[in-house]
Amino acid sequence: DAKTTQPPSMDCAEGRAANLPCNHSTISGNEYVYWYRQIHSQGPQYIIHGLKNNETNEMASLIITEDRKSSTLILPHATLRDTAVYYCIVRVAQGGSEKLVFGKGTKLTVNP
Amino acid sequence: DGGITQSPKYLFRKEGQNVTLSCEQNLNHDAMYWYRQDPGQGLRLIYYSQIVNDFQKGDIAEGYSVSREKKESFPLTVTSAQKNPTAFYLCASSTLTGLSGNTIYFGEGSWLTVV
Repeated sequence: DAKTTQPPSMDCAEGRAANLPCNHSTISGNEYVYWYRQIHSQGPQYIIHGLKNNETNEMASLIITEDRKSSTLILPHATLRDTAVYYCIVRVAQGGSEKLVFGKGTKLTVNP
Repeated sequence: DGGITQSPKYLFRKEGQNVTLSCEQNLNHDAMYWYRQDPGQGLRLIYYSQIVNDFQKGDIAEGYSVSREKKESFPLTVTSAQKNPTAFYLCASSTLTGLSGNTIYFGEGSWLTVV
């Protein structure tokens, strides 16, 4: 089962910031939080990841709470092309290997 | 360009036939993965491999088989034993680490339809 909880859908106006929340209350101390997005019929695209500190790259910012039980992905100026399903994932290590456990994600719709 | 290449993009299979989906990566990644995605659903892990000639079952391995004869290649065979194979299949790869921040990258996916 996915170790994260996300709202099923969100809307955002074009040009405004999109703030996508994620709860991961059972995260372990050395597990990372990853964000991916998927546009219909395409492979998931990596956005950003973090462990404890807030992170920023050319696509987005990731804010992780101090207790690491939740995080927020911020798209600072959403465009219509940001409409996609966004997945928040905790990196799981099992038996010395690694895999990603995906939930159903948040469907973000950016409106003109 | 470096990346993950899946082929074919679209594949139709008759019931009772085995089909093989190709996945090749030139990223020099040690680990490779196969996921299945059904419409409106998240991704589910089928198989994964950390090194050549070794692989492990994921959460929904029944009816599927894989091989890892080369580091760059991780083909998935959907056998006739898979009762509901129509889905979107995604291949992924990553460097092999412990608990770390290394990124997993995905291919563009293959659509399999049983006719």
